[in-house]
Amino acid sequence: NAGVTQTPKFQVLKTGQSMTLQCAQDMNHEYMSWYRQDPGMGLRLIHYSVGAGITDQGEVPNGYNVSRSTTEDFPLRLLSAAPSQTSVYFCASSFGQGVLGGANVLTFGAGSRLTVL
Amino acid sequence: AQKITQTQPGMFVQEKEAVTLDCTYDTSDPSYGLFWYKQPSSGEMIFLIYQGSYDQQNATEGRYSLNFQKARKSANLVISASQLGDSAMYFCAMREITNTGNQFYFGTGTSLTVIP
Repeated sequence: NAGVTQTPKFQVLKTGQSMTLQCAQDMNHEYMSWYRQDPGMGLRLIHYSVGAGITDQGEVPNGYNVSRSTTEDFPLRLLSAAPSQTSVYFCASSFGQGVLGGANVLTFGAGSRLTVL
Repeated sequence: AQKITQTQPGMFVQEKEAVTLDCTYDTSDPSYGLFWYKQPSSGEMIFLIYQGSYDQQNATEGRYSLNFQKARKSANLVISASQLGDSAMYFCAMREITNTGNQFYFGTGTSLTVIP
């Protein structure tokens, strides 16, 4: 019963490098999303997906790319890392809109701390 | 306009006392859900409590209760009998159901410190 698994937990990049943050869930959740957390700014939505093959932009999508080829996986790609992308990244998933009530909780991964030098 | 507003960046409470963390929300949808999450210093996001917009009674989970005032669009978290382990960041969140599916919105959080 792994829930939401994010890798890596820590990463240091140089400006201009690219990398992929991996996210996998084993709960058959339709909805998956990526957030970044910066001090004093709460959680800001980067990209989300409501099902395999469907992705959409959130509040802060610039510099990031996503794809959803399977229900389980939702990787986040940094195309050319910048110091402004230094942050803690969270992947989160939930059931789709057909599941109502308290069963439709957003479940988070453990987070990935990214530093861009 | 902000969907979720938490106006208390930091709060202090004496151990064993109760504390209320404020949250107001903005939506025009009749069907929505409200959540509270706890983030301890270790960083993980822990789900605490849920309130649906049609729920008649305030949600409770152990020492946590959600004071839901629909007309005022507020969803305050009440922690009774505070413990040292309650020291953490607390986030209020809302789920709306749009034509493209779920949308979740988070507040900026309240840092709670429990004083021995």
